[in-house]
Amino acid sequence: GAGVSQSPSNKVTEKGKDVELRCDPISGHTALYWYRQSLGQGLEFLIYFQGNSAPDKSGLPSDRFSAERTGGSVSTLTIQRTQQEDSAVYLCASSLGQGHTDTQYFGPGTRLTVL
Amino acid sequence: GQNIDQPTEMTATEGAIVQINCTYQTSGFNGLFWYQQHAGEAPTFLSYNVLDGLEEKGRFSSFLSRSKGYSYLLLKELQMKDSASYLCASMDSNYQLIWGAGTKLIIKP
Repeated sequence: GAGVSQSPSNKVTEKGKDVELRCDPISGHTALYWYRQSLGQGLEFLIYFQGNSAPDKSGLPSDRFSAERTGGSVSTLTIQRTQQEDSAVYLCASSLGQGHTDTQYFGPGTRLTVL
Repeated sequence: GQNIDQPTEMTATEGAIVQINCTYQTSGFNGLFWYQQHAGEAPTFLSYNVLDGLEEKGRFSSFLSRSKGYSYLLLKELQMKDSASYLCASMDSNYQLIWGAGTKLIIKP
């Protein structure tokens, strides 16, 4: 596609439910990143994929968070047993992956609200 | 620890010049990024500096001093559409971006 796409754009869920967020990176981009942004805050790194492997999972806030990437393309971020503090905008970015300093291109984000 | 500092909010006048400062402390350094983020939208890339000095790109310029752990984004001939948050991010030795909280820039006519 022309840019990074994410779905859904908005998700409202009840505390304790599981949610799945999807990211479709720019075609040909091998690197994919997940970030979280709370209102008025900077971006919080969650996880990074190079191809299908995740060399850096250090940012995942708890074991309720997991992510996978298949076929070197689409990635899903799953949050189990959601809590109110999980409410934030979840941003996905992709880059060529040829060099670590490649520009990251962001998707529009998924706004998650946990009631 | 790792830390990025930038002002929370700045106000400037249409047509004027504004400089947004950023200081960083990261474990290692692989470059300094500036992104623009309009309210409710995703961040978009503005600039990347890894060497000391000024990089000019149209109305926007970015400066880096590695010895001082300091960068600034300079916006000239301000337009109303420049009202946005400007995010500073330093890339550490693990090639992970450490993000500042962003500077909200308000442009007044």
